[in-house]
Amino acid sequence: QKEVEQDPGPLSVPEGAIVSLNCTYSNSAFQYFMWYRQYSRKGPELLMYTYSSGNKEDGRFTAQVDKSSKYISLFIRDSQPSDSATYLCAMSGAGGTSYGKLTFGQGTILTVHP
Amino acid sequence: DTEVTQTPKHLVMGMTNKKSLKCEQHMGHRAMYWYKQKAKKPPELMFVYSYEKLSINESVPSRFSPECPNSSLLNLHLHALQPEDSALYLCASSQSSAEDTQYFGPGTRLTVL
Repeated sequence: QKEVEQDPGPLSVPEGAIVSLNCTYSNSAFQYFMWYRQYSRKGPELLMYTYSSGNKEDGRFTAQVDKSSKYISLFIRDSQPSDSATYLCAMSGAGGTSYGKLTFGQGTILTVHP
Repeated sequence: DTEVTQTPKHLVMGMTNKKSLKCEQHMGHRAMYWYKQKAKKPPELMFVYSYEKLSINESVPSRFSPECPNSSLLNLHLHALQPEDSALYLCASSQSSAEDTQYFGPGTRLTVL
């Protein structure tokens, strides 16, 4: 079992839809949770960074962390074709053998069609 | 400015060549990272430098040799690579550790013939 599970999709939605992306994880020690967006053949771009449980909103993006369920989500409102990319969840702060490392999900490929 | 720059953007090399990848950041970050990313996979950590010292080597073959000449620069020296080493090589930096936000560069797309 992978330490972080993320459905690779692909996910295809119409423009204007609300998109929900999710990751589950097994290591309850993770404390820092991130979402990155990666366009084809480019480096990952940080979208959201959350410490511990709770919600964080930035424009059309909302990140949620539920540590009790070991579940994190990214919501994209009013999705646009420019949101078409691979979305990677990542987490850190577990210490031990994970100290100093980000653990990534597999990435979800999202396409928003006009 | 949250920019990490990488050169070159693309690199094609033969298995007997020696080449270097370069990474630079001017955010005052003290941790820098090399990742390798294959198509449709997440980035895989290769090396971590913390305060200019190598702190993590993820059992990477010796044909990859990292170097951190100063706090702003990170190099990856390549020698005798194999075709399976073809990938996107990403550099990242963070304030002081992986618990801080990591910012990625655009990557170098490497093809080994």
